[in-house]
Amino acid sequence: KQEVTQIPAALSVPEGENLVLNCSFTDSAIYNLQWFRQDPGKGLTSLLLIQSSQREQTSGRLNASLDKSSGRSTLYIAASQPGDSATYLCAVKKEERAGTALIFGKGTTLSVSS
Amino acid sequence: NAGVTQTPKFRILKIGQSMTLQCAQDMNHNYMYWYRQDPGMGLKLIYYSVGAGITDKGEVPNGYNVSRSTTEDFPLRLELAAPSQTSVYFCASSTGWQPQHFGDGTRLSIL
Repeated sequence: KQEVTQIPAALSVPEGENLVLNCSFTDSAIYNLQWFRQDPGKGLTSLLLIQSSQREQTSGRLNASLDKSSGRSTLYIAASQPGDSATYLCAVKKEERAGTALIFGKGTTLSVSS
Repeated sequence: NAGVTQTPKFRILKIGQSMTLQCAQDMNHNYMYWYRQDPGMGLKLIYYSVGAGITDKGEVPNGYNVSRSTTEDFPLRLELAAPSQTSVYFCASSTGWQPQHFGDGTRLSIL
C-alpha cells in the first residue's frame, strides 16, 4: 500500500530565505507526483505536476524534483515571502490509469516572517 | 470561470440527520472526486466518478452515497450522520490527464 510522508510537519523561516520541503513515498511505481498549496479555510491549488518520466518542473520561484527510484521529491522555494505562508501537500498518482485518485501526505505548514 | 463550486460552505448537523453536499463544475470534466480531510491529516478519497452514470468507491466510502446524473454535478449524500463524519469535504474534477481542480470545501460538524 502506497504511503506518502512529508517532513518537516512545520517550518518557520525569515523572509528571503531559500527552503526545501521533502516528500517521500513507499512504492516507486508511480504515474506522477503533484505539489499543492492550501491556505487556511481554502481548497487546494495545484503548484507543480511531475510525470514519472521527468526529473523536475519549475514555475517561477518554485522548483520540484523527483527521484522515483529512491521514492523522494523535493519542493524548493527561492527567496521566500510572507505570502508563501501556507500548507504544502504532496500527492502521488499510483497508476497510469485516467481518473486514478491521488494519495496524499499530511503536509508541511510553512510560516514566513517579515 | 467558476471552476468547482461547493455548497454549503459550513453546516452543523445533529447525529442521525441526513444531508447532501453539492458539487458543480463548469469545465466539462468527466472525472469528479469527493475527498475528506480530517485535522492534521492528508486527504482521503470517498467516492469518484469517471462520467455521468458511473461511480465507484474510494478508500473511505462507508456512510456515504453519491450519484452522477449529469457531467456537471456530483452530490455527496450522508444518510445517518455520525460524529466520525465531522470533517472538511472537498470536491475535485479532472480530465483524467490534468492536475485536479478543487473546490473550497464544505466544513461539516456533527454534534
